[in-house]
Amino acid sequence: DTGVSQDPRHKITKRGQNVTFRCDPISEHNRLYWYRQTLGQGPEFLTYFQNEAQLEKSRLLSDRFSAERPKGSFSTLEIQRTEQGDSAMYLCASSLPFRLAGIYNEQFFGPGTRLTVL
Amino acid sequence: TQLLEQSPQFLSIQEGENLTVYCNSSSVFSSLQWYRQEPGEGPVLLVTVVTGGEVKKLKRLTFQFGDARKDSSLHITAAQPGDTGLYLCAGLPGSARQLTFGSGTQLTVLP
Repeated sequence: DTGVSQDPRHKITKRGQNVTFRCDPISEHNRLYWYRQTLGQGPEFLTYFQNEAQLEKSRLLSDRFSAERPKGSFSTLEIQRTEQGDSAMYLCASSLPFRLAGIYNEQFFGPGTRLTVL
Repeated sequence: TQLLEQSPQFLSIQEGENLTVYCNSSSVFSSLQWYRQEPGEGPVLLVTVVTGGEVKKLKRLTFQFGDARKDSSLHITAAQPGDTGLYLCAGLPGSARQLTFGSGTQLTVLP
């Protein structure tokens, strides 16, 4: 039983470069979430997919950020023209379909991708 | 303004002591979850509470959901160094799909 996986675990890039992160959710989970966490803070919501449809985006998700989930399985998060303020831990989570999740509606997180923008 | 306020922000105690972490809000949550996170890793789900007044126990950890489903607490009995980590509460306010997190409590248990 594999959990949520994320790749890469660490990424160091120079300001202005583009980066792409990948998330593979738990296999029977059709809902996928991206969060961002900065040091000393709890994670903040970025975007949410149900199957391949991106249903919600936070205002934190500027136009330099784009997320996709083309086949309703894995997802990618791309940041264009990175800025030093983008340095953070990017977390992916997944959860069961609503009809199976019930009232618990739990989200399970991957290990995260630590981005450092120099 | 943080929707979920956690306190204390930092806690350093000796092995064997008891502690309580609080998670408070003015909003009602359909469910509330507690996670534990270690440096460089993602949050790991400890428990989910959904019913007002609910109490759940996980070995030495006791979780309580407030009667009005606006607050929660985590109590650890006889803390051990292995309990060290960042404890996060997170909830689904109303019909929201995404979790709202507190800012966390960094617990250090000294041997």
